[in-house]
Amino acid sequence: KAGVTQTPRYLIKTRGQQVTLSCSPISGHRSVSWYQQTPGQGLQFLFEYFSETQRNKGNFPGRFSGRQFSNSRSEMNVSTLELGDSALYLCASSPWDGTTGVEQYFGPGTRLTVT
Amino acid sequence: QQPVQSPQAVILREGEDAVINCSSSKALYSVHWYRQKHGEAPIFLMILLKGGEQKGHDKISASFNEKKQQSSLYLTASQLSYSGTYFCGTEIGYGGSQGNLIFGKGTKLSVKP
Repeated sequence: KAGVTQTPRYLIKTRGQQVTLSCSPISGHRSVSWYQQTPGQGLQFLFEYFSETQRNKGNFPGRFSGRQFSNSRSEMNVSTLELGDSALYLCASSPWDGTTGVEQYFGPGTRLTVT
Repeated sequence: QQPVQSPQAVILREGEDAVINCSSSKALYSVHWYRQKHGEAPIFLMILLKGGEQKGHDKISASFNEKKQQSSLYLTASQLSYSGTYFCGTEIGYGGSQGNLIFGKGTKLSVKP
């Protein structure tokens, strides 16, 4: 099976702009989670979608939003970019189906730089 | 709420052993372990569910002490390929919270020849 794919891999934006990142999960996986990774804060959970519904949300401002489509592909959007949003954004897919303790598989990430 | 990992960094010679610890102040449902090499995505290693089980494959194993809300990752006879940053991800609560992993800040492991 193909792994998790994320596009684009690298992105440079200016403060105030908005950005949309895309994630295609492993075939058959319906759960998609998004994480922000920075050297100072480490891996922080943004949100998780399952069957087009947001199930969990981390502690991030409303500028960060996401959605999931019927084919399980997911997008996350960041509006009014700030310098502090510069980070590696990781998407992870999971075969979660209502059971517990299921592993997640990460994509290569999108490196966002805000100038 | 973020789990605490220790040590923050460790340097080993090939063949040496290491233990990485992950502690939480919250009751845990499961603990996930991942390894990330520089510039790459985190790779899933193993998951431990509450119940105090121990798992392992090859020379990497882990334990989960439910009473202490602690998990330990054991790397024996380390190889150069073990180098990377190890993260524990903790799942608090029950199945409905799955996907909401709280990660520790990571332990950087360097294996030298």
